[in-house]
Amino acid sequence: QVQLQESGPGLVKPSQTLSLTCTVSGDSISSGGYYWSWIRQHPGKGLEWIGYIYYTGSTYYNRSLKSRITISVDTSKNQFSLKLSSVTAADTAVYYCARDSRKYMIRGVNNWFDPWGQGTLVTVSS
Amino acid sequence: QSVLTQPPSFSAAPGQKVTISCSGGSSNIGSNYVSWYQQLPGTAPKLLIYENNKRPSGIPDRFSGSKSGTSATLDITGLQTGDEADYYCETWDSSLSAGVFGGGTQLTVL
Repeated sequence: QVQLQESGPGLVKPSQTLSLTCTVSGDSISSGGYYWSWIRQHPGKGLEWIGYIYYTGSTYYNRSLKSRITISVDTSKNQFSLKLSSVTAADTAVYYCARDSRKYMIRGVNNWFDPWGQGTLVTVSS
Repeated sequence: QSVLTQPPSFSAAPGQKVTISCSGGSSNIGSNYVSWYQQLPGTAPKLLIYENNKRPSGIPDRFSGSKSGTSATLDITGLQTGDEADYYCETWDSSLSAGVFGGGTQLTVL
């Protein structure tokens, strides 16, 4: 059974960098069968896709956040990480990591997120 | 404002059928595949439907999905109180080059 677990500080000061790690168990990131995504949910709001990484280190980011995001992978630890710089209160959210099944098909992009980590609340406040 | 439009809320009685809509455009639903997620209160989203209409193992056949043009729908039959949750659609937007979610539909089972 594949499980993902987010970890990192629950409180970050404005202008600092938010850093989270997702530890994967039950599957190997380096197997190459999947991509690995970060998704966030602002309090009481909907979901926002942040970006994904492949085991090779290849990344794809949401343009709306691209200038502030870095997603990296450590295959030796079976982990991938998110760094979001220059945070403001608007970055307060529950951050989820998820396994991303993604296929680029003739009829378009076919992707889904399964499973998800339990999520971790990150509050940006001084 | 979400790229994909869902009704904010829906309510129905146990045993009834509900259809939750997800409306988009040619750059997202119109040209890519749709997935659906269920988020029970206080928990992470869970995959319900992928590739427009496929169910992962363990998801009851009471849940079904379809897509036509630039819209997708999630049908839930035989409503149960345990189906009370938020439901989200998701697809890739080729113009934004990003995954996009609907705003979510809060389902209440009366």
